[in-house]
Amino acid sequence: DAGVTQSPTHLIKTRGQQVTLRCSPKSGHDTVSWYQQALGQGPQFIFQYYEEEERQRGNFPDRFSGHQFPNYSSELNVNALLLGDSALYLCASSFRYNEKLFFGSGTQLSVL
Amino acid sequence: AQSVSQHNHHVILSEAASLELGCNYSYGGTVNLFWYVQYPGQHLQLLLKYFSGDPLVKGIKGFEAEFIKSKFSFNLRKPSVQWSDTAEYFCAVTREGSSNTGKLIFGQGTTLQVKP
Repeated sequence: DAGVTQSPTHLIKTRGQQVTLRCSPKSGHDTVSWYQQALGQGPQFIFQYYEEEERQRGNFPDRFSGHQFPNYSSELNVNALLLGDSALYLCASSFRYNEKLFFGSGTQLSVL
Repeated sequence: AQSVSQHNHHVILSEAASLELGCNYSYGGTVNLFWYVQYPGQHLQLLLKYFSGDPLVKGIKGFEAEFIKSKFSFNLRKPSVQWSDTAEYFCAVTREGSSNTGKLIFGQGTTLQVKP
């Protein structure tokens, strides 16, 4: 039974570019949440998707957007990248609004 | 704004020592509380959780945590640590209510290093 998978594992971009990160939830899960983890900090909630809609959003600018597909997989898009967007981006999945989240290993984004 | 504070950023212990990691949260309403662990090179995984009932909760690998509502605290404990407990530990909180489910507020984390 596959857990939460994220791709790519590492990514290097330059300021102003756009990036797309991908997440496949654990089998049987239908809810996907995205978190940003800066170096030395705890994860920060970006947003959550359920039934292909954004259900909750954290304190992140509109440059951060997402999408959920009918197969429950999800994408995180970040436009106009800033140096401060460099972080580990974590995807977590759950069934419905169950608070037992399963996390992926993350995508390490470096913005130069 | 709701916040979670972990008192110790970096803890170094010898094997068999006792562990207590502090966690305090700022929200005054009903909360759900979690401890997550991240072993080196691995993903975040749930160690234990408190939703209601007995304030002393037991998790995996001999860990336990006590919810003290009057102190807004949820400290993690283990009587005797092992080298394999070396990891990053995160306390997290959600506000009760379906609109907040899954929106975890994390502390900044505590790095535990256990010396053999």
